[in-house]
Formats: sequence, structure tokens, C-alpha cells
Amino acid sequence: GAVVSQHPSWVICKSGTSVKIECRSLDFQATTMFWYRQFPKQSLMLMATSNEGSKATYEQGVEKDKFLINHASLTLSTLTVTSAHPEDSSFYICSAKWTSGFTGELFFGEGSRLTVL
Amino acid sequence: KQEVTQIPAALSVPEGENLVLNCSFTDSAIYNLQWFRQDPGKGLTSLLLIQSSQREQTSGRLNASLDKSSGRSTLYIAASQPGDSATYLCAVYSNDYKLSFGAGTTVTVRA
Repeated sequence: GAVVSQHPSWVICKSGTSVKIECRSLDFQATTMFWYRQFPKQSLMLMATSNEGSKATYEQGVEKDKFLINHASLTLSTLTVTSAHPEDSSFYICSAKWTSGFTGELFFGEGSRLTVL
Repeated sequence: KQEVTQIPAALSVPEGENLVLNCSFTDSAIYNLQWFRQDPGKGLTSLLLIQSSQREQTSGRLNASLDKSSGRSTLYIAASQPGDSATYLCAVYSNDYKLSFGAGTTVTVRA
């Protein structure tokens, strides 16, 4: 149990286009999901907290208009990178918190690698 | 703001040697601490989760200790194997479920 799936696993896009990444909890409900970004040779940095039915909360320095987050259901959060540029190329990972009560850990997706040409 | 530091940044050992990976954090008011493994280009694999009330957790060849008062955790890997080569990340939970990650220790086990 506690499986989180991300799609796509990797995506290549042209500069100026928008890209959507999905994060799904497959066997549990998650009212809260988190999005992280990892640049090469660096650790994961929290970008934003996604809450079902409400606006996302962004960490300091993360542009909310560039990284649009939608958490429309209890099992799905999406991250849209708008007008992507090469500097947005990164590894994006989501994690989900069990709605029924915090089990003590978050469950992670497999990650999505974005390359912007 | 929680700061998580991992030392060393990289480690290379011959097969069979024991590994000791260190993690320190600045704010001792943590909820839980978790160790992950990350292979190149891949996502995270959870290794061990230590609750704030625990002092250690074990799984097979892995043992992790936690000393909240000093802000430290150590991951021990016994009898290392080439398959243990990966980056190991330490992450600390705050009371609002957010995770702060260290930069990781990249381990190479030589056959």
C-alpha cells in the first residue's frame, strides 16, 4: 500500500511551452501533497504544499505564477510549469500525506525529469 | 529554519567495509527523521524511519541512530556491497509534516 505515481517520468519540451506533471496517490487519499525540485548534484528543495480544494502554499522564492499547482481531488495534484525555460530543467518529485492521519512518513512518487530545450 | 548537513559528501570504500554516514540538524524539535537512498537519475527509496521518541531503528544490514538533543543521526551499513553504491539522503520532519533534506552522501563501494 501507500503508492504514489508520477507522470510523465521524463519530458522534453521547447522553451516557452508549458508542461504538466501529475502526482497520484493510487491506494489512499491524500488531502496534502508536497512538490520538490532537485537540481543536479543537489538535494531536494520543497517548492510548495498542495492542499485539496484550496490554494497551494509556496515556499519563499518560488514563483506561484510560474509553477501552477492544482489539487482538485483527494488523489491527484498537478504541477504545471508555465512558459518553461532551460533553467527550469530539473527533477521534480512529489510526496503525499495520508488523509486518515499522519502515519509518520510521507510517500514519494518516482519523480519527473524535465528538460527544456 | 531547519538546516540539515550530511558529512562526508562522498565516500569510497572497498567491498566488505562498514559504512558510517552522518547527519546533523539545527533544530532539535523534530517530528521524525528518515533515511533515503537515491540511485542516479531515480527517485527516493525509503530505508529507515526513526520516530522522535526512538533512539534507533534497524533493518537488515542497516542501523540508524537518533540523538535529538545533540541534533545528530548516524546511518550504519554493515559489510558493504557494490550494490550499496548510491546517494544517501537524510531528511527531517517538522511538526507541519514538511521535510528538510540534507545534500546527501554519495557512496561508492569498490569490488
